[in-house]
Amino acid sequence: DSGVTQTPKHLITATGQRVTLRCSPRSGDLSVYWYQQSLDQGLQFLIQYYNGEERAKGNILERFSAQQFPDLHSELNLSSLELGDSALYFCASSVAGQGEKTQYFGPGTRLLVL
Amino acid sequence: GQQVMQIPQYQHVQEGEDFTTYCNSSTTLSNIQWYKQRPGGHPVFLIQLVKSGEVKKQKRLTFQFGEAKKNSSLHITATQTTDVGTYFCAGPLYSGAGSYQLTFGKGTKLSVIP
Repeated sequence: DSGVTQTPKHLITATGQRVTLRCSPRSGDLSVYWYQQSLDQGLQFLIQYYNGEERAKGNILERFSAQQFPDLHSELNLSSLELGDSALYFCASSVAGQGEKTQYFGPGTRLLVL
Repeated sequence: GQQVMQIPQYQHVQEGEDFTTYCNSSTTLSNIQWYKQRPGGHPVFLIQLVKSGEVKKQKRLTFQFGEAKKNSSLHITATQTTDVGTYFCAGPLYSGAGSYQLTFGKGTKLSVIP
């Protein structure tokens, strides 16, 4: 158990819909990262937040947005969903803001868009 | 652009055989990290190498960081079915504005035939 929690574990929705994925980092970690992993694909970095502020952006679509709240939990919002958005979405956390530090991953949210 | 490349993408071995995965970066890395993702699971941090030429061992796993700090390898001796999973290397690549982002290779998926 990494100490990172993610909800929900599974999500099934339809094209065009909007969903929100939630992540709580390990106690004491200030950085949260979001990744997308499609079937048999690597980890695509989406975005990083550090202590409530956006720190780095990766290959995140304009239909996707995220935020980190004062209690440090983070939410990833996916809108106008397409079939191709079906994937595993991981949240990871680390102590510091530097993006190169060791990251601890949550169990992931499996999203299926029908 | 800067990348972290990993080969092979897939490896099937007979139980008891050795396994090696290789990681290469287009630039010098300050450190290299290795993660393991079991089927249906999430990436789990295994180890970090920092020094040029560093070699670290964890039971049957041997991790090596190249002299030029641009490549790394993970070698598993006498594989077991518990070694099944995808092994990712990750290195911090410059992402602009003075910051670095941990960039993952695409992973090597190891299958072990009992």
